[in-house]
Amino acid sequence: NAGVTQTPKFQVLKTGQSMTLQCAQDMNHNSMYWYRQDPGMGLRLIYYSASEGTTDKGEVPNGYNVSRLNKREFSLRLESAAPSQTSVYFCASSLLATSTDTQYFGPGTRLTVL
Amino acid sequence: AQSVTQLDSHVSVSEGTPVLLRCNYSSSYSPSLFWYVQHPNKGLQLLLKYTSAATLVKGINGFEAEFKKSETSFHLTKPSAHMSDAAEYFCVVSEGGGNKLTFGTGTQLKVEL
Repeated sequence: NAGVTQTPKFQVLKTGQSMTLQCAQDMNHNSMYWYRQDPGMGLRLIYYSASEGTTDKGEVPNGYNVSRLNKREFSLRLESAAPSQTSVYFCASSLLATSTDTQYFGPGTRLTVL
Repeated sequence: AQSVTQLDSHVSVSEGTPVLLRCNYSSSYSPSLFWYVQHPNKGLQLLLKYTSAATLVKGINGFEAEFKKSETSFHLTKPSAHMSDAAEYFCVVSEGGGNKLTFGTGTQLKVEL
């Protein structure tokens, strides 16, 4: 039981390049989330998927797209990377999209955009 | 709208002494509140959560927090700090549908010998 896994662990991009961050969970959770973590700002929600087949914007969605590929997988795509997207990205999942439900986090992807 | 304020960005304690990490929240509804811990270069791990049951919540590794509605606070405490407690701690609030979490800016806990 691996929980939430993310690939890659590290990535360096040049401005304008694209890439996809992958996330998978094996807990049979319905809801999945993408966050970014910047120094001194805590985590901020980029996009979330309350259930398979649905996605919604979070607090900071500009410059990103997401795909809920199936119940297990939720990917985050940067179409044209910018230095402002240098950050640590975390994926999370929860059984349901209710305020009482615990979110479980992956180990993160450290992205640098030059 | 929901928000969280962590009152100290850094806290330093000696091993074996009590830990207090302070958190105040703002919420329009009955919130759920969480404390997560992040060790260096790791993901976030849930310490404890409050979801409108008992106001004193016990978590892992000897941590506990008390929900005080009148003070809009959810401070995290531990009677005796251990070196392994050195990490960053996040107070988090969630309300309404969608389970959208709002994080505080974090408190870095340093434990000294």
